[in-house]
Amino acid sequence: AQSVSQHNHHVILSEAASLELGCNYSYGGTVNLFWYVQYPGQHLQLLLKYFSGDPLVKGIKGFEAEFIKSKFSFNLRKPSVQWSDTAEYFCAVNAARGNTPLVFGKGTRLSVIA
Amino acid sequence: SAVISQKPSRDICQRGTSLTIQCQVDSQVTMMFWYRQQPGQSLTLIATANQGSEATYESGFVIDKFPISRPNLTFSTLTVSNMSPEDSSIYLCSVNRGQDEQYFGPGTRLTVT
Repeated sequence: AQSVSQHNHHVILSEAASLELGCNYSYGGTVNLFWYVQYPGQHLQLLLKYFSGDPLVKGIKGFEAEFIKSKFSFNLRKPSVQWSDTAEYFCAVNAARGNTPLVFGKGTRLSVIA
Repeated sequence: SAVISQKPSRDICQRGTSLTIQCQVDSQVTMMFWYRQQPGQSLTLIATANQGSEATYESGFVIDKFPISRPNLTFSTLTVSNMSPEDSSIYLCSVNRGQDEQYFGPGTRLTVT
């Protein structure tokens, strides 16, 4: 069975600071990897995804993530956060064999202060 | 992408009653998934609904509590039965499309009093 670990429960940053949120997964086979964001009171939105190819993927709003297979990691980064990035961030994986559900990490709350 | 609608968008229900949530997809899909997001928590998979067969439930979820119907390839329902305040959550349906990308409905926010 798959599992996803997000290391940080709550991260507080000042505007313009750099962001890195950790995500590690456990699964014996090939996976697809995702980062979702949930702004306060809103539903989930896909930030970025990795299926194959270049392990550095770029998503919306200036976010990127790097898949390091040897470390089973898919950390999310942004060079300079804004107040509007305040949200809950979820890492998720599914088995890359079609029609498989997502397994989510517990989420990381990001608070960006002015 | 996939367009997914859910009804109702929110409801407040009394303890002991049941609520059926509908999920409609704009095109045919093989699998539909139902998730729960309890307040302040992550998403947890309840069950996988495959058209023409019984739903497959995850550990901790049972058919008597969360019966699911999947009458065709574009529609599914999830019923939350004999509700208690612990069932207060957002319930989401989702589908896979294309290369394993998963799309979520807007969710049904359920409050049980």
